[in-house]
This record gives sequence, structure tokens and C-alpha cells, in this order.
Amino acid sequence: QITLKESGPTLVNPTQTLTLTCTFSGFSLTTSGVGVGWIRQPPGKALEWLALIYWDDVKRYSPALRSRLTISKDTSKSQVVLTLTNMDPVDAATYYCARRLGGNHYFDYWGQGTLVTVFS
Amino acid sequence: QSVLTQPPSVSAAPGQKVTISCSGTSSNLGNNYVSWYQQLPGTAPKLLIYESNKRPSGIPDRFSGSKSGTSATLGITGLQTGDEADYYCGTWDNNLSAGVFGGGTKLTVL
Repeated sequence: QITLKESGPTLVNPTQTLTLTCTFSGFSLTTSGVGVGWIRQPPGKALEWLALIYWDDVKRYSPALRSRLTISKDTSKSQVVLTLTNMDPVDAATYYCARRLGGNHYFDYWGQGTLVTVFS
Repeated sequence: QSVLTQPPSVSAAPGQKVTISCSGTSSNLGNNYVSWYQQLPGTAPKLLIYESNKRPSGIPDRFSGSKSGTSATLGITGLQTGDEADYYCGTWDNNLSAGVFGGGTKLTVL
């Protein structure tokens, strides 16, 4: 059974750094072709692709947020960590992690999401 | 502003068919497969269609996908009230070297 779960603070202050952890089970991020990505969704708005890390440690970022995002993995803990610096109220959203499988870009399993509020 | 363009909303009666379009460019849909996601109210997105026209296990054949050039279409037949949700298309953009989503389409089953 494949599961992913996001964890991290539910409330951050403006200018702080947000650190979110995706803990997964049922697959390995050492398997060729596997990736884990982060997607966010502001309340009432569309999905926004943020970042992706592959089994071979290749990383990809949204150009709009590249300067503020960092994605990393700890395969021994089955975790992927996303940091977003200099948080702003516009960054308030539900943040999802999801598994990407294979050479064609799609997310087949998603976490339940974690809502992050930026208090101002 | 989303890279892929979807209609904000569509509606149809129970039992009817509806299609949802997704438009892109040569850097994304023109050279990559499309995937579609269903997001029921208050829940995480769920994969409906991958590689443009394939359904994951457990997705009924009422849902179908197609792609031609820089456009893609999700079709839903035999509409049920439980199909009311937001639907998103997604793909990879070769110029951005990043994934992209559409703005989402809200389906109302009247």
C-alpha cells in the first residue's frame, strides 16, 4: 500500500522559512524512475506545481519560485523535505506531496495535504 | 495565471456526457502526455487519466482522455452527482523544465 503524508507547521509568520516533510511508504525513492513532487493550492484556487526530486537526486523547480525553494530527500527515512523561504501571505495554501512514476509526468499517489497559514 | 488553459466551469444533466478541454503549447502538451485529476470537495486530487488516455486501476471507463497536438480533452459519460468536482489537467513543460497544471474546471451535474 502506497501512502504519502505531509507534516509541518500550520502557521508561519511572514519572512519566516517554511519547512515541510513528506513521509512516504510502499515505495522507494532509490528505484529508477521514481520521483516525489510538491504541489500547492491556495484556498479556492488552482493547483500550482512547485518542485520535484528524482531517485537520482535530480531536482526541478518552478521558475517562479526557484530562488525560494529547496527540495531534498532522505531515502533512509523515506522522506522528502521542501523549504520555502521568506514566506508571505500569498503563500498560504494547502501543500501536497505526490509520487511521480515513470518517464511520463504524472502523479499517481497524493498525500492528504497540509494547510499552511501565514499570519500577518 | 495557469500555463494550461481550461474552461472555468462545465455543466450537464445526470446521465449525459460532458467534455473538458485543456489547451497548451508546443513546449508542453505538444510534446508531452497529459494527465487528468479529479478533486472532490475537501479532498486531495486523484489521478483519473495518465499518458493522455490510460486509466489507473479502479477508474471506471466512463472517464476517457484524448490528446491532439497542443490540446487535450477529458470525457465523462453517464454523469452522476458524485462526479461533481474540480478537474485539472497537467503535463511537463520542456521550456520551463517543470510541471504545469491547468486552472481547473468545476463540473456541475444539474
